[in-house]
Amino acid sequence: DAGVTQSPTHLIKTRGQHVTLRCSPISGHKSVSWYQQVLGQGPQFIFQYYEKEERGRGNFPDRFSARQFPNYSSELNVNALLLGDSALYLCASSFYSSKNIQYFGAGTRLSVL
Amino acid sequence: DQQVKQNSPSLSVQEGRISILNCDYTNSMFDYFLWYKKYPAEGPTFLISISSIKDKNEDGRFTVFLNKSAKHLSLHIVPSQPGDSAVYFCAFHNTNAGKSTFGDGTTLTVKP
Repeated sequence: DAGVTQSPTHLIKTRGQHVTLRCSPISGHKSVSWYQQVLGQGPQFIFQYYEKEERGRGNFPDRFSARQFPNYSSELNVNALLLGDSALYLCASSFYSSKNIQYFGAGTRLSVL
Repeated sequence: DQQVKQNSPSLSVQEGRISILNCDYTNSMFDYFLWYKKYPAEGPTFLISISSIKDKNEDGRFTVFLNKSAKHLSLHIVPSQPGDSAVYFCAFHNTNAGKSTFGDGTTLTVKP
């Protein structure tokens, strides 16, 4: 069975641009969460989506947005990129929104120059 | 505010010995406590968890201990193996908020 898949694996952007990251959850999982991991720190929660609705939001600016599609895949969008947005972006899926165990993809490494 | 703290950025142990990883937390709303392991170029993988109503959970070589009065979580690995070398994250889950809060990780090195 396929695990959580994220695309692209690496991405280089310049300041001010926008970026879209994609995630496909494990088959049957209806909840997708997004995390940002800066070097030397743990993953920081950005969003959770369940059944196409936002169920949780972390302390990130409005430049960050996300959505979930009917097939439960998800996109994370970041507008007006800043140098500080350079990080590993992780997607995690779980069956229910309240399920505490999450299954992570390998992440998208975003570099903002 | 930092709700979760992993005080040791790194830990080195000899193969066969016990590895003890620790986390402290401040938020009483957490109801599940988890440990994830992360190898380079991979996402974190779930290792073991404990609910807030228990104080110990065992799974093979891995045991998680929860001390709610001290707001302290620990992971014991015994015996440690070289394949256990990885970054370990504690994660604290708030079911109502639907989010997990992670520590900054401890890099465990198990020497043969």
